[in-house]
Amino acid sequence: GDSVTQMEGPVTLSEEAFLTINCTYTATGYPSLFWYVQYPGEGLQLLLKATKADDKGSNKGFEATYRKETTSFHLEKGSVQVSDSAVYFCALSDRVDSWGKLQFGAGTQVVVTP
Amino acid sequence: NAGVTQTPKFRVLKTGQSMTLLCAQDMNHEYMYWYRQDPGMGLRLIHYSVGEGTTAKGEVPDGYNVSRLKKQNFLLGLESAAPSQTSVYFCASSPGLLSSGNTIYFGEGSWLTVV
Repeated sequence: GDSVTQMEGPVTLSEEAFLTINCTYTATGYPSLFWYVQYPGEGLQLLLKATKADDKGSNKGFEATYRKETTSFHLEKGSVQVSDSAVYFCALSDRVDSWGKLQFGAGTQVVVTP
Repeated sequence: NAGVTQTPKFRVLKTGQSMTLLCAQDMNHEYMYWYRQDPGMGLRLIHYSVGEGTTAKGEVPDGYNVSRLKKQNFLLGLESAAPSQTSVYFCASSPGLLSSGNTIYFGEGSWLTVV
């Protein structure tokens, strides 16, 4: 079945550092890929998405490129802020395997210090 | 801009008690979902609905029941709560298939503790 694997946290960074969170997936079909962010005490919010190979999703300085050849969707940000401290979830939705439910990774906590 | 609203936000139950979590969305979305979030496991789908009057099992449906009598509401019931159901529950909705790139919108979560 479909699955998503992302790097374990917590990831602790200083402000203005470069952030990368690795995400790889397995899927039987042609999935859409997503990154969600969860701030403390809140629900999940869509950060960015990509629906086909080589697409790049971007939002709020974050980017991720859909790499079919490496089955990856790594999240990057060039200069993090304290306000980026949150839990980040990689997820996929597979057109072929299911009607489109989201399969989530375990989440990566990011802590940015001043 | 209410979006997806869940009630209650916090609840403590004794083992064997029953309760219902209510989810309401005001975006006229067809699809609604209930997820649970546990440490180190991401979110797992409990039940979902693809339209008024329909429900289906997700990844972890045991011990839960759901109903979608009205398009805007999706109820999650625990008939006999167990400590293993201590979790954070998230309701969500989407206008269409997520695999087609549609966005899913989450509520703020309901923290449930079963003692």
